[in-house]
Amino acid sequence: DAGVIQSPRHEVTEMGQEVTLRCKPISGHDYLFWYRQTMMRGLELLIYFNNNVPIDDSGMPEDRFSAKMPNASFSTLKIQPSEPRDSAVYFCASRSGTSGGYNEQFFGPGTRLTVL
Amino acid sequence: DQQVKQNSPSLSVQEGRISILNCDYTNSMFDYFLWYKKYPAEGPTFLISISSIKDKNEDGRFTVFLNKSAKHLSLHIVPSQPGDSAVYFCAASAYTHNDMRFGAGTRLTVKP
Repeated sequence: DAGVIQSPRHEVTEMGQEVTLRCKPISGHDYLFWYRQTMMRGLELLIYFNNNVPIDDSGMPEDRFSAKMPNASFSTLKIQPSEPRDSAVYFCASRSGTSGGYNEQFFGPGTRLTVL
Repeated sequence: DQQVKQNSPSLSVQEGRISILNCDYTNSMFDYFLWYKKYPAEGPTFLISISSIKDKNEDGRFTVFLNKSAKHLSLHIVPSQPGDSAVYFCAASAYTHNDMRFGAGTRLTVKP
């Protein structure tokens, strides 16, 4: 398997622009997670899906952030409008719900977002 | 609200010696703990885990110890190798095991 795929790997945009980050989970995994890593806050969970349904979005910082999972093989995280403080590395992760209930998530390589 | 803390931002050890990375947590409801390793420009990769019903789990050169009364866990790497140089994250979860909380990470450098 190719692992979790994220695109783009790097994104540089200007404040106020819309940003869309993409993720393809590992085939067969029914949980998908979006994380953000910053120097100040470390690695924090933003939202997660189970069987394409958002389960917990309490980590989404503001209404400017939205996430969708239209099918089992694709998810997006959108920021509109973007702000400089959104600059971070965004990770997508997935896991199988049959892994005994335990939480071995597989992470993608991340998208480094810079908002100027 | 840092429920998982890694108080040492960095650690440097000599090749062949033991590396000990520490992690503390505050939420007594956490019942599953994991260590992830992260190389630059890559996502974290799962290394080893332990359930709260155990106090030790070993996998090759890697051993995780859990002290529930102290709310403390540690990762031992022996012998350490230069390829182990990476950032190590401690993580913990409870209940559904989907809301995983991460520590800030410890950068391990193993010198040849």
